[in-house]
Amino acid sequence: TQLLEQSPQFLSIQEGENLTVYCNSSSVFSSLQWYRQEPGEGPVLLVTVVTGGEVKKLKRLTFQFGDARKDSSLHITAAQPGDTGLYLCAGGVNTDKLIFGTGTRLQVFP
Amino acid sequence: EAGVAQSPRYKIIEKRQSVAFWCNPISGHATLYWYQQILGQGPKLLIQFQNNGVVDDSQLPKDRFSAERLKGVDSTLKIQPAKLEDSAVYLCASSFHGGAGEQYFGPGTRLTVT
Repeated sequence: TQLLEQSPQFLSIQEGENLTVYCNSSSVFSSLQWYRQEPGEGPVLLVTVVTGGEVKKLKRLTFQFGDARKDSSLHITAAQPGDTGLYLCAGGVNTDKLIFGTGTRLQVFP
Repeated sequence: EAGVAQSPRYKIIEKRQSVAFWCNPISGHATLYWYQQILGQGPKLLIQFQNNGVVDDSQLPKDRFSAERLKGVDSTLKIQPAKLEDSAVYLCASSFHGGAGEQYFGPGTRLTVT
């Protein structure tokens, strides 16, 4: 069974702080996606990374796919209250389906 | 472009009752997914359709859950009879290419079983 463990499970920080969320597995994935989910809504795709070692930046968010394609990280610089939500990583399995991670709930206080 | 529509948004039922959820995917999306999301956790795939055929239902509790996608468009997910542990958000998603491509999610149906 392929599992994606995210850490930390919960994160509560002040506006302006930096943070990193980790997504780890013992399995290799063909791709890795990051989603953000706000209360009462479905997840929304932030980014897809497909190459080991790949780094993508989306404004204040930096995503990295591990060299071995077993792990990924999401770094947020100068967090804002609008970044609050549940962050989910999702690994692509043999291009057939996605396996979602356990989730990291982020709360950013003004 | 209209997103994935789901109804109802909320449902409260007693255990052993039945319930049905409806999903209308984005037009032209051949692949439709139903996920179960326990509060604060990641979504767990229940069933995946490609057009009106089932691709993966390995994690669907078939003794109580059923799903269909008639004509390859709308889909319904049914639970009969419901148990307390079925309390969760049921998310519907669709994608154009299927597989590990981008999935577009609906707002979900929050089910509470008392």
